[in-house]
Amino acid sequence: ELKVEQNPLFLSMQEGKNYTIYCNYSTTSDRLYWYRQDPGKSLESLFVLLSNGAVKQEGRLMASLDTKARLSTLHITAAVHDLSATYFCAVDIGSTNAGKSTFGDGTTLTVKP
Amino acid sequence: NAGVMQNPRHLVRRRGQEARLRCSPMKGHSHVYWYRQLPEEGLKFMVYLQKENIIDESGMPKERFSAEFPKEGPSILRIQQVVRGDSAAYFCASSPPGRRGEKLFFGSGTQLSVL
Repeated sequence: ELKVEQNPLFLSMQEGKNYTIYCNYSTTSDRLYWYRQDPGKSLESLFVLLSNGAVKQEGRLMASLDTKARLSTLHITAAVHDLSATYFCAVDIGSTNAGKSTFGDGTTLTVKP
Repeated sequence: NAGVMQNPRHLVRRRGQEARLRCSPMKGHSHVYWYRQLPEEGLKFMVYLQKENIIDESGMPKERFSAEFPKEGPSILRIQQVVRGDSAAYFCASSPPGRRGEKLFFGSGTQLSVL
């Protein structure tokens, strides 16, 4: 059974600081997703990572994938309050299972002034 | 282009009643996925459907739960004889044909509360 573990589960950081959220998964994966969820809202797709060494950046967020280590990171640069949300990573196994994702439990990020 | 539409947003049922959750995928999308989210947890895959077909229901409880995606109309997730443990947020997601799961677009969810 595929297991996806995120850490930390809760993160409180000051505005302007940098930090990294980690996502480990237990078996070989064909794709990895990062999502953002605001309280009471739906999930917003941030990144889809398809290959080893993939790196994608959007604003203050950068995601990377190391398939050999079965590890993805979501790096936050110079955090701002608007980034406060819960971030999920999710993993598919095999292209035939694309969309059948196993999610981590999420990292709740609070950015303080 | 409207996003994935789910209704109702909130649904309250008493134990033993039936719950019907609706999902209209984005225009042009033919793949629909249902997920369940318990408090403080990530989403759990339930079922994947295409029009008139259930493709993968490996995440669905064996009893009381069913899903359909008819030729016309929204996808329906149906829970019969609800119990308190069914209380959760149920999310629907869709993706376009030929690009299964590459990027999922999620609806706003239905929060089911069982009294």
